[in-house]
Amino acid sequence: DIQMTQSPSSVSASVGDRVSITCQASQGISSWLAWYQQKPGKAPRLLIYAASRLQTGVPSRFSGSGSGTDFTLTISSLQPEDFATYYCQQASTFPLTFGGGTKVEIK
Amino acid sequence: QLQLQESGPGLVKPSETLSLTCTVSGGSISSNSDFWGWIRQPPGKGLEWIGSVYYRGSTYYKSSLKSRVTISVDTSKNQFSLNLNSVTAADTAVYYCARVEGDDVSLLRGVHVYWGQGTLVTVSS
Repeated sequence: DIQMTQSPSSVSASVGDRVSITCQASQGISSWLAWYQQKPGKAPRLLIYAASRLQTGVPSRFSGSGSGTDFTLTISSLQPEDFATYYCQQASTFPLTFGGGTKVEIK
Repeated sequence: QLQLQESGPGLVKPSETLSLTCTVSGGSISSNSDFWGWIRQPPGKGLEWIGSVYYRGSTYYKSSLKSRVTISVDTSKNQFSLNLNSVTAADTAVYYCARVEGDDVSLLRGVHVYWGQGTLVTVSS
């Protein structure tokens, strides 16, 4: 199975900050990577697919980059509703795998 | 709008079989390209992909769970199911069902766009 490693596991930031989260795959997955946001008690919500494509309805302050094994999710200006946990997921091959998650907390 | 809803017992005894069903509405489970899958999340922990099924029956499972998991589809009821046998406390989690985009020419391939709300299953005697 392809292993997905996210870092950091948590980050403290203030409203308006720029936040970046990284995800590394144990083998090349081209651009087959998705990012999800999850709030407590809720199902995950798709933010980005194909490494950099913004899902419909997702604010443009979210962006994704990378290919091969190294990927980044960036929130350009953190908003109060962005405090949540973020997960990457490789969509290259079955079995699909998720990263361990990054919790974005209020500083 | 596609909707998914999990159902099943919220409490399962150790060594028994956990069985959940996901009912799909607003669309057909017999889509030409999509897979249907299960993901779980132990309390306070991250997401763990369990497996996926195609409506014609082909399946993919997480390697470490393969010996205990069966995912099947019932096209007549527009449902798919998860069976996990020989459960222990480590299988306590919120279980989500989701649709996995399967079109090979789509950039959404392999992505979970639609999710159920999740159901908590506790393994305890």
